Amino acid sequence: DAGVIQSPRHEVTEMGQEVTLRCKPISGHDYLFWYRQTMMRGLELLIYFNNNVPIDDSGMPEDRFSAKMPNASFSTLKIQPSEPRDSAVYFCASSLQGQGAYGYTFGSGTRLTVV
Amino acid sequence: QKEVEQNSGPLSVPEGAIASLNCTYSDRVSQSFFWYRQYSGKSPELIMSIYSNGDKEDGRFTAQLNKASQYVSLLIRDSQPSDSATYLCAGYILTGGGNKLTFGTGTQLKVEL
Repeated sequence: DAGVIQSPRHEVTEMGQEVTLRCKPISGHDYLFWYRQTMMRGLELLIYFNNNVPIDDSGMPEDRFSAKMPNASFSTLKIQPSEPRDSAVYFCASSLQGQGAYGYTFGSGTRLTVV
Repeated sequence: QKEVEQNSGPLSVPEGAIASLNCTYSDRVSQSFFWYRQYSGKSPELIMSIYSNGDKEDGRFTAQLNKASQYVSLLIRDSQPSDSATYLCAGYILTGGGNKLTFGTGTQLKVEL
């Protein structure tokens, strides 16, 4: 298994531009999570899906952030318009059955820099 | 109070020593806990899980859970330079929408030669 695949690995964009981050979960995993990691706040859960349906988006910081999961093998996190304070590493993770012994498997992350 | 709290460190130990990493949690956090290891510039990697009061051992790693004190720890025996990383403690928060895995901010461990 190739694991959780995220793209791009690095993204540098100018303030005000739209940014789209992509994720392919592990095949067969029914939960998908988007996290953001910064030095100040650590790993924060933004949103998660179960069977492609958004379950909890209470961690999404503002309306500028949106996430979709059109099918079991693909999800996007979009920021429009982007701001310098959005600079962080964004991780996608997937899991089987959402909890318990399986834990979460993380992708390699996308390092976003907004200038 | 943050749901999961860790000392940010860095914690420095000599090679071959026991490294002890600690984590406390609030009432909102359920009784399933995980330790992740994160190397600099890499993604978190699950190394241990613990659900029951007491100790759980896996190789050089031992996780300890004390529900009465709301305390979780990770012991690393015979520490190696390759163990130098940030260790993240995580637990589930029970919400109406489901269970969310919440992380502490991590403890940086440095194993010195």
